[in-house]
Order: sequence, then structure tokens, then C-alpha cells
Amino acid sequence: EVQLVQSGAEVKKPGEPLKISCKGSGYSFTSYWIGWVRQMPGKGLEWMGNIFPDDSDTIYSPSFQGQVTISADKSISTAYLHWSSLKASDTAMYYCARPSAQLSNAFDIWGQGTMVTVSS
Amino acid sequence: SSELTQDPAVSVALGQTVRITCQGDSLRTYYASWYQQKPGQAPALVIYATNNRPSGIPDRFSGSSSGNTASLTITGAQAEDEADYHCNSRDSSGNYWVFGGGTKLTVL
Repeated sequence: EVQLVQSGAEVKKPGEPLKISCKGSGYSFTSYWIGWVRQMPGKGLEWMGNIFPDDSDTIYSPSFQGQVTISADKSISTAYLHWSSLKASDTAMYYCARPSAQLSNAFDIWGQGTMVTVSS
Repeated sequence: SSELTQDPAVSVALGQTVRITCQGDSLRTYYASWYQQKPGQAPALVIYATNNRPSGIPDRFSGSSSGNTASLTITGAQAEDEADYHCNSRDSSGNYWVFGGGTKLTVL
């Protein structure tokens, strides 16, 4: 079964660092990009950026450039989303998703989401 | 603000047909995809490349596009179709992905 499995919910304080993960299985992890999508409470989806795990080529949304870091470890089929210093406004659900070139880059597989809560 | 614009909310009577639209200049050039999101769940792809359904998606879901507007049509809406629907495409530069603001569909 093709799937993306994300790490569990996090509760952090402002200023703390955080790295969440997304592990792919059931397909060739290095052959597909992985994207990250934010959903703030009660709001729509926002594309943050994509990474190609084979060579770690990364593209960021201008809205998120410099705010987060996307990385990947192809040896363990895992992509990451990292904050060096969290803000309360980072409170959101974060999804990883696979854009498929075969489906004109639609996101065909989604992780279950990681809820990040930032509160003092 | 999103480069793709959706109506915040739409309603449809059970069994009737509803169209959900997504407007943006980039849709003149790039394909749209559509995602269904039920409360507490991750989004799920229902339409890709404007009018193609992934396997397992009922044929009451269809897509179309004209000019700067992409549409998702549900023919014979069912109670289980009540959900948020998000459109997705590239931005005008073609370099980035972008989502619409989402449409909450209520089935009456």
C-alpha cells in the first residue's frame, strides 16, 4: 500500500525548535517529490514547498521561504519540516503530500497530518 | 490572499446537482485538481488534470474548465459528499503550487 505516515502531534512553546517527519512506503520514495501543506484552524490549505528526495532539490512558496526548512533523508524514505524558532502563529495542522507527475502533479497521496500547537 | 478564488460556501439538496467553481488567471494555462476534505480527515484527491477521476472516486464527480474558471460538478449529491472542497493548480508564474480558499458544501 502506498502511504505517507507522519509523526505525532506536538505541543511547543514560542521560540522552541521543531522538526516533524513524513515517511513514505509502498513506492519508490526517490522518484517522487514530497510537498508540505499548512492548514490553520478553520482555514484553507496553503502550499509551503516541495522537495525531491533523490537530490534534495527544494522549492519554497514565497510565503514560507526563510520561515521553515524542508529536508529529506532518502536512506530512510523520510521528509522533514523544520522550524528553528516557533511562533504562536505556526499553530496549525501540517500535511505532507505526494505530487504525482503521472497525474499532472496533483497531490495523490496525503499523510494523516501532524497537529502543531505553539503556546506559552 | 490566494491566486485561486472559491466561494466560501455552497449548498445543494440531496440528489440534486451542484457545481463548485475556482477562478484564477493561471487556470488558463495550468490544470486544476480538486480535493475533498471531511472533518478531522486529510484531504483526498477527487479530480486531477481538470476532468480525470482517480480510481475509487464515484462517477458522480466530474470536472471541467473554461477560460479562467475550473469547476467541480457533483451530479446527484449524496449526504456523504458534505465536505470542504479545495482546488489546486500552479500560480501565474508556473513556479509554485497554490490552493483556493476552499468551499464548504452542505447537502440539505
